[in-house]
Amino acid sequence: AQKVTQAQTEISVVEKEDVTLDCVYETRDTTYYLFWYKQPPSGELVFLIRRNSFDEQNEISGRYSWNFQKSTSSFNFTITASQVVDSAVYFCALSEESMGGANSKLTFGKGITLSVRP
Amino acid sequence: EAGVAQSPRYKIIEKRQSVAFWCNPISGHATLYWYQQILGQGPKLLIQFQNNGVVDDSQLPKDRFSAERLKGVDSTLKIQPAKLEDSAVYLCASSSLQDRAYEQYFGPGTRLTVT
Repeated sequence: AQKVTQAQTEISVVEKEDVTLDCVYETRDTTYYLFWYKQPPSGELVFLIRRNSFDEQNEISGRYSWNFQKSTSSFNFTITASQVVDSAVYFCALSEESMGGANSKLTFGKGITLSVRP
Repeated sequence: EAGVAQSPRYKIIEKRQSVAFWCNPISGHATLYWYQQILGQGPKLLIQFQNNGVVDDSQLPKDRFSAERLKGVDSTLKIQPAKLEDSAVYLCASSSLQDRAYEQYFGPGTRLTVT
């Protein structure tokens, strides 16, 4: 069975600080996909990034960066120079290759509430 | 491209009443998902359709929840009778079979309060 653990529940930082959100996953599949979603107060889930299990390259997109390490089953997310608009709940999620070609469900962690104070 | 549409956005009912939610996925997306998100938790899959067939409904409380996707496009999720613990946000998502990375696009959700 697949599982996603986000041990941090709430993080509060001051604007311009860097912050790292941790994600640890469990899966028996060799092929799988990892995601990060942002859920602002409006409630809609906003896709941030997707990585497949064969690509361990770290990725940077503006102030966002992701560190994928298969050896520790972790997929951590760092926001550099945080801004008030980054305040939201952040979810890490996992999907596995499923048989028959059907798209696989997402298994989400419990989410991390990030508050960025001015 | 229009996103995933859901209605209503908010619903308040009393326990033991029934309620229905509607979802219109992105045009051409064969796979449709219903997730339940209880306050303070991550979304949990209730049911997954591919076209008009059910792929996974292992976590759907079938004694009270039902869902259908007639003609493989729109979908309706129903709860009858509702319980207090059904208070949650119900999210609909869709994805394309052509996208092997299984990227799912989410709608705005329906916030259900059962009193």
